[in-house]
Amino acid sequence: GESVGLHLPTLSVQEGDNSIINCAYSNSASDYFIWYKQESGKGPQFIIDIRSNMDKRQGQRVTVLLNKTVKHLSLQIAATQPGDSAVYFCAEGGGADGLTFGKGTHLIIQP
Amino acid sequence: EPEVTQTPSHQVTQMGQEVILRCVPISNHLYFYWYRQILGQKVEFLVSFYNNEISEKSEIFDDQFSVERPDGSNFTLKIRSTKLEDSAMYFCASSEGAGGHYYEQYFGPGTRLTVT
Repeated sequence: GESVGLHLPTLSVQEGDNSIINCAYSNSASDYFIWYKQESGKGPQFIIDIRSNMDKRQGQRVTVLLNKTVKHLSLQIAATQPGDSAVYFCAEGGGADGLTFGKGTHLIIQP
Repeated sequence: EPEVTQTPSHQVTQMGQEVILRCVPISNHLYFYWYRQILGQKVEFLVSFYNNEISEKSEIFDDQFSVERPDGSNFTLKIRSTKLEDSAMYFCASSEGAGGHYYEQYFGPGTRLTVT
């Protein structure tokens, strides 16, 4: 079946460095993508989204890039801080109400 | 900032019992959702609810599950005859419009259900 998945289960970066979290999707009909952050014991928290008619979208310290040719999505976090430590999920919305989540990447910020 | 709330934070029940998980969505939102997350796994969509009826449901949402909006503020998930494999975090979410159609879904903190 078609799914959303992540390349790496764990990413460790130094505080202050930039982080890049990747996600691959297989449904070429997908037209809406979202990144969520989940801290331990909490629900997913919206970070940023992007529609398929865009290649890039920027927020505060975060940038999402969408490459529809290779069905790839990435989340860039600039100048990572200890509070960025969490599991990051990409999710796909494509015409249905519910979102399809990927497996998650655990981002670890080292001091 | 408005937020989705859920009660209880942790529910322990015996296999075969019925549980009701409660959620208060954000007040001006029209779509409500339940998701679950088995420990260490990804978040899975269960059901969406709009205009007092189920809008969409996944394969997971079988006859064991039901949802209800009993009043103007609460949104509930009932699990009948719980099984060990129902143990998971259950998240409620809400959005202004249909979540898969570009509307941000706001998630609650979750209810941890433990079936023994």
